[in-house]
Amino acid sequence: QQPVQSPQAVILREGEDAVINCSSSKALYSVHWYRQKHGEAPVFLMILLKGGEQKGHDKISASFNEKKQQSSLYLTASQLSYSGTYFCGTDRYSGGGADGLTFGKGTHLIIQP
Amino acid sequence: DVKVTQSSRYLVKRTGEKVFLECVQDMDHENMFWYRQDPGLGLRLIYFSYDVKMKEKGDIPEGYSVSREKKERFSLILESASTNQTSMYLCASRAQQLGGNTIYFGEGSWLTVV
Repeated sequence: QQPVQSPQAVILREGEDAVINCSSSKALYSVHWYRQKHGEAPVFLMILLKGGEQKGHDKISASFNEKKQQSSLYLTASQLSYSGTYFCGTDRYSGGGADGLTFGKGTHLIIQP
Repeated sequence: DVKVTQSSRYLVKRTGEKVFLECVQDMDHENMFWYRQDPGLGLRLIYFSYDVKMKEKGDIPEGYSVSREKKERFSLILESASTNQTSMYLCASRAQQLGGNTIYFGEGSWLTVV
């Protein structure tokens, strides 16, 4: 089951904050966040693990609510370089790595000067 | 630095042709994946492999096959390309461990079938 992301798109001015949400209909072992620039591969931002451990980016934060099966990505004081499409990914089955991630459809973030 | 390399960035093929997309990773990862990315649909898993010569169907395997003869190499094969397979294809790899291991993507292969 594909996780659901919201909003689909957001336009901000430089310096404003943004929140991107990701929710799943099934229990989550971890949530992975990626950013993709047009024509490029997705780049890893952050991973949140069941139990609260967080690994990733020092200028972007995120939360993981296991009970609600939701994660949110927080971009504060956004910079022009933050523009792109953000994807959340969740383990397809066991969380052991072999079966890959299922991704949401993405959130398009546009930062204007 | 981690590296997933897709040998072909841009390809144009004719309907009915056999197409090979090659991917190599240098991280000694057990798991490799092929995703397809289309506007509005996100990334969808085609096939994956957790070991040499092992393969599993993902969410959209129809019209594709894969080959993994060596640990570092994973190939996607379109036996008879069709126009609805025009897309961006992303190869990825991931270590085998419980939790905390992310997926690393290659730069992508843009395939146009005419």
